[in-house]
Amino acid sequence: ETTLTQSPAFMSATPGDKVNISCKASQDIDDDMNWYQQKPGEAPIFIIQEATTLVPGIPPRFSGSGYGTDFTLTINNIESEDAAYYFCLQHDTFPYTFGRGTKLEI
Amino acid sequence: QVQLVQSGAEVKKPGASVKVSCKASGYTLTTCAMHWVRQAPGQRPEWMGWISAGNGNTRYSQMFQGRVSITRDTSASAVYMDLTSLRSEDTAVYYCARDANWGPDYWGQGTLVTVSS
Repeated sequence: ETTLTQSPAFMSATPGDKVNISCKASQDIDDDMNWYQQKPGEAPIFIIQEATTLVPGIPPRFSGSGYGTDFTLTINNIESEDAAYYFCLQHDTFPYTFGRGTKLEI
Repeated sequence: QVQLVQSGAEVKKPGASVKVSCKASGYTLTTCAMHWVRQAPGQRPEWMGWISAGNGNTRYSQMFQGRVSITRDTSASAVYMDLTSLRSEDTAVYYCARDANWGPDYWGQGTLVTVSS
């Protein structure tokens, strides 16, 4: 099973800031990494696919980078609406596994 | 547009079973796989299993092996998740999520299953 180590667990930012969220895989997963945003009481929203591709309709201030074992979600010029829980998922091998999540407070 | 609408909240006693439905619209059910994921309060999401596109093969997480079953009814455009021998630790929000070949994309709204005596 591929373990994903996501950090930090919690972060606080000010509008206009740039933030980075890290997700490290316990083995090589190529670019089979996705990122999701989830607000309380809502379903997750797909924001980054295949490590670096912005999902259509997602603001371009979101971006993803990485390959193999180290991945990063970056949010530039943060807005108050970006306050949410963010988690990573690997879909390289079964069972699919998730990071523990990052709670972003604005 | 793609929508996944799940059945409503359930309250079950320990040892009982639960069946959660996920009705898909906006695409043809058999062209995509469907995952089931659960999220307990304060915990990371857990992948439970999936039913593949096309022939509908299933694959389950070892954590749920023997207790979970995923089926689909193409005429109803729906996928179902059965979980048996419920225990308090199964209390969670259960999600279906479509997979068009690059991991889960669209998610259902979630179904809260509470297991309590």
